[in-house]
Amino acid sequence: DQQVKQNSPSLSVQEGRISILNCDYTNSMFDYFLWYKKYPAEGPTFLISISSIKDKNEDGRFTVFLNKSAKHLSLHIVPSQPGDSAVYFCAASAQTGANNLFFGTGTRLTVIP
Amino acid sequence: DTEVTQTPKHLVMGMTNKKSLKCEQHMGHRAMYWYKQKAKKPPELMFVYSYEKLSINESVPSRFSPECPNSSLLNLHLHALQPEDSALYLCASSQDGRGFETQYFGPGTRLLVL
Repeated sequence: DQQVKQNSPSLSVQEGRISILNCDYTNSMFDYFLWYKKYPAEGPTFLISISSIKDKNEDGRFTVFLNKSAKHLSLHIVPSQPGDSAVYFCAASAQTGANNLFFGTGTRLTVIP
Repeated sequence: DTEVTQTPKHLVMGMTNKKSLKCEQHMGHRAMYWYKQKAKKPPELMFVYSYEKLSINESVPSRFSPECPNSSLLNLHLHALQPEDSALYLCASSQDGRGFETQYFGPGTRLLVL
């Protein structure tokens, strides 16, 4: 049973525009959420995180929004750059779960120059 | 420095072989993890070590045997694997295995079992 879902397997965006990647979760015990970026043949690279006590966290071009009532989070990248092209995974953990990360299935972002 | 290193990068082994995957971090983290990732699937947790003790084993077959010799090193010993075990094996580390932690991943070992 997939507890973290990314329903869009792919997304294409023009360079300079905003990229919005979405993620939904089902387990109400999740209280820490992360976004990772992954290039082929490499491990996931941490991008940004948010805890359940916040609804927004910003780091440079990356902003993560959390809507706890909807069990939904999103990653905004603005402006998008060609180097952002990669697979993006959202992940969630529960403080009571020994930091076990549950990953979504990933969204492949392509930024078109 | 948020680097986690893994060796080897690629590994091909037969079903009767014994091999080991190695992972190292020098961030002072006390929790280390093994994940398995099949093609077009998300990473799935296999084992968690916290303070050099195995704290989670996600019902992984005994042909996979983890070892944590010290807080910087994590091994995964492989024996009598099956072709369906072919996957990318990822190692990660975090502060101490409690909540609200970021896990940092290595580049992975791509394993092919023939």
